[in-house]
Amino acid sequence: DTQMTQSPSTLSASVGDRVTITCRASQSISSWLAWYQQKPGQAPKLLIYKASSVESGVPSRFSGSGSETEFTLTISYLQPDDFATYYCQQYNTYPWTFGQGTKVEIK
Amino acid sequence: EVQLVESGGGLVQPWESLRLSCAVSGFTFSSYSMSWVRQAPGKGLEWVATIRQDGTQRYYVDSVKGRFTVSRDNVQNSLYLQMDSLTGDDTAVYFCARANGIYLNYQYYFYMDVWGKGTTVTVSS
Repeated sequence: DTQMTQSPSTLSASVGDRVTITCRASQSISSWLAWYQQKPGQAPKLLIYKASSVESGVPSRFSGSGSETEFTLTISYLQPDDFATYYCQQYNTYPWTFGQGTKVEIK
Repeated sequence: EVQLVESGGGLVQPWESLRLSCAVSGFTFSSYSMSWVRQAPGKGLEWVATIRQDGTQRYYVDSVKGRFTVSRDNVQNSLYLQMDSLTGDDTAVYFCARANGIYLNYQYYFYMDVWGKGTTVTVSS
């Protein structure tokens, strides 16, 4: 199975900050990576697919990059609505696997 | 409006069975693969199963193989998850999700672009 490791697990930031979350795959997954945002009590929401393609309706401050085994999610200018938990997920091979999550909290 | 609505969750005893449903509207259900993802209390997301558009191919995480069965009814626009021999480790919120993506080099690559709100399964004596 492909293991996905996110860092950091928790990130304290302020409104207006630039935030970067890293996701590493235990083997190459090409660009078959998605990023999701989840708020407490809600379903996950797709932000990014194919490593860098932004889902329709997602604000342009969200961007993704990377390939093979190393990926990043960047929020260029953190907004109050962005405090949430973020997950990466590989869909290169079954079983699909998620990172453990990164909680972005208010500093 | 695209909607996925899960139902069928509840409290069951260990080793009992439960069948989850996901009613879909707002898109052509038969054109999409569909998935189940779960989230144990206070934990992260875990992919559970995916079924292809026509139901001919099904994929499962190892921990549910032989106990869970994913199925679909393309006339009723519904997705199902039959869960047997449930244990406490299956306690979670179960989400259904639409799998979207592309077919490339004889392989499908799907991400999950639309999610339901989830239904809660609690396994406890």
